[in-house]
Amino acid sequence: GAGVSQTPSNKVTEKGKYVELRCDPISGHTALYWYRQSLGQGPEFLIYFQGTGAADDSGLPNDRFFAVRPEGSVSTLKIQRTERGDSAVYLCASSFRLADPTSTDTQYFGPGTRLTVL
Amino acid sequence: GNSVTQMEGPVTLSEEAFLTINCTYTATGYPSLFWYVQYPGEGLQLLLKATKADDKGSNKGFEATYRKETTSFHLEKGSVQVSDSAVYFCALRGVFSGGYNKLIFGAGTRLAVHP
Repeated sequence: GAGVSQTPSNKVTEKGKYVELRCDPISGHTALYWYRQSLGQGPEFLIYFQGTGAADDSGLPNDRFFAVRPEGSVSTLKIQRTERGDSAVYLCASSFRLADPTSTDTQYFGPGTRLTVL
Repeated sequence: GNSVTQMEGPVTLSEEAFLTINCTYTATGYPSLFWYVQYPGEGLQLLLKATKADDKGSNKGFEATYRKETTSFHLEKGSVQVSDSAVYFCALRGVFSGGYNKLIFGAGTRLAVHP
């Protein structure tokens, strides 16, 4: 079946521009996550959605970053006034069940969007 | 806070050699532990997981045992293949509020296997 898809696969932009990154989770998955992976590092958590609402956005680095999931499926990560330090691979993941203390649900990752800010 | 530390790479081995990639963690309570693998040009894939102490996760010849006493989850394989060349990430998911809805990853260990 189809996995998590992300578009575009690569995005090059100039400093100060606005970008949108899209994530299509696995059909039927309720939970959606965004992570950011800098070169040579492991992914770092950005935000978690339960359905349409952001249940935990504690990983967003500042108010230039925002994410939405208006219909509980596709999500868009939005970055305003991009900076060179925003260059990274942005990963999206989804899981079938909502996160809870007893959940052993697997997070399935997309291929990522490589963002380069010149 | 929760954290994961894994051995630095790259790890370079000959085919059929024994592999160990060390991973230790810091967390409150009993987190779930994971190994993810990233093959060249591909996305992260779950390799194996363990959700409680003394559990052993296994998949594709890889194994890791959840050791609470040493807070470790080392990845092992008895005989590596060239196709195992990839970057391996150790990760945990916490059990308390604010911790169970995210994965905390180590920095990754690159494995290169030569024929």
